[in-house]
Amino acid sequence: GENVEQHPSTLSVQEGDSAVIKCTYSDSASNYFPWYKQELGKGPQLIIDIRSNVGEKKDQRIAVTLNKTAKHFSLHITETQPEDSAVYFCAASPPYYGGSQGNLIFGKGTKLSVKP
Amino acid sequence: KAGVTQTPRYLIKTRGQQVTLSCSPISGHRSVSWYQQTPGQGLQFLFEYFSETQRNKGNFPGRFSGRQFSNSRSEMNVSTLELGDSALYLCASSLDAGISSYEQYFGPGTRLTVT
Repeated sequence: GENVEQHPSTLSVQEGDSAVIKCTYSDSASNYFPWYKQELGKGPQLIIDIRSNVGEKKDQRIAVTLNKTAKHFSLHITETQPEDSAVYFCAASPPYYGGSQGNLIFGKGTKLSVKP
Repeated sequence: KAGVTQTPRYLIKTRGQQVTLSCSPISGHRSVSWYQQTPGQGLQFLFEYFSETQRNKGNFPGRFSGRQFSNSRSEMNVSTLELGDSALYLCASSLDAGISSYEQYFGPGTRLTVT
């Protein structure tokens, strides 16, 4: 089955710097890759996603890149702010017969700390 | 539009008991997925329901079960609780209609503690 590896497990940056989190996946049939931000005491919040037919997607300070050949995708956060501090999870969605995409396989998470 | 709601938010149970958790998806969303989150194993997929039918299932024992009602609300049940079942149980809903159907939106979770 699908397996997702995420690195690094912790990341500390100065406010204003960029942060990059990388994930690799094993199932070449996976076709959807979301990123979630989880703050303490809350559920994961979808921040950006990318489908397998797209190489890059950007939303203000956040961008995601996908390399299908190498089976890896990355989250880029520019001009980091203290409120970006949280745990970030990548995920991959392998297709399931019947059209289900409800099965997200998550990485172990990256704890991002942005120092003022 | 209201987000995904889960009840109760916190629960303490004793080993051997059973528990039922509830999830109300975003209005109009038809798919509901359940996940277990623990410090050791991270986020793991339990099962997905669509149109009152289980459409996908993860690698959890049969003690974990769920159902979905005609209004898309979902419940999950854990029988014969074990200490290792202590976790944050998260529900996520998805529109499941066309190109936006992949996006899953999570609720705040139910924190289950088994003593």
